[in-house]
Amino acid sequence: NAGVTQTPKFQVLKTGQSMTLQCAQDMNHNSMYWYRQDPGMGLRLIYYSASEGTTDKGEVPNGYNVSRLNKREFSLRLESAAPSQTSVYFCASSKDRGAYEQYFGPGTRLTVT
Amino acid sequence: LAKTTQPISMDSYEGQEVNITCSHNNIATNDYITWYQQFPSQGPRFIIQGYKTKVTNEVASLFIPADRKSSTLSLPRVSLSDTAVYYCPIYSGAGSYQLTFGKGTKLSVIP
Repeated sequence: NAGVTQTPKFQVLKTGQSMTLQCAQDMNHNSMYWYRQDPGMGLRLIYYSASEGTTDKGEVPNGYNVSRLNKREFSLRLESAAPSQTSVYFCASSKDRGAYEQYFGPGTRLTVT
Repeated sequence: LAKTTQPISMDSYEGQEVNITCSHNNIATNDYITWYQQFPSQGPRFIIQGYKTKVTNEVASLFIPADRKSSTLSLPRVSLSDTAVYYCPIYSGAGSYQLTFGKGTKLSVIP
């Protein structure tokens, strides 16, 4: 099992450009999450999907949109990138919304210039 | 959502037992305490969770006092490969079902 995979690993954008971060899991998990991690900080939740067909805002949702494409895939879109969105983005999944153990992907390092 | 406070960094020699504390004064009745480990350029990895008293698994022990306002992760006989950042996110078991991460503790194991 690959677990949680994320693409791309690195990305550089100019201010105003858009892009989509992809995430997929092969553990048949119901719940998926997107976090961002800034230097010296912990992870902050952007959006989550408790189950296929549902999405909810987390702590820092402004400037982002998400799509739960199917049970395996959960994408994060930046419509108009800003330098403040420079960060490392992690996708995670869990068996269901009541499970405290989350499995994280390797992350996407995004730089917005 | 419960906030957590941890020491920014700790140093330890190989072979020693390491105890990392976490303060979570506003923890709610339905919240659980979890600990995650993060290596550079990787996502966090779950270590252990508990509600109260003591929990032990194959890699660590977790001590939680009766008031649940703090917790201590104990790593027995650390090695160089235990050098990482350790987080104690609180899992909100009612309503949001979210993990709330703090800034973590950077543990450096010295040969």
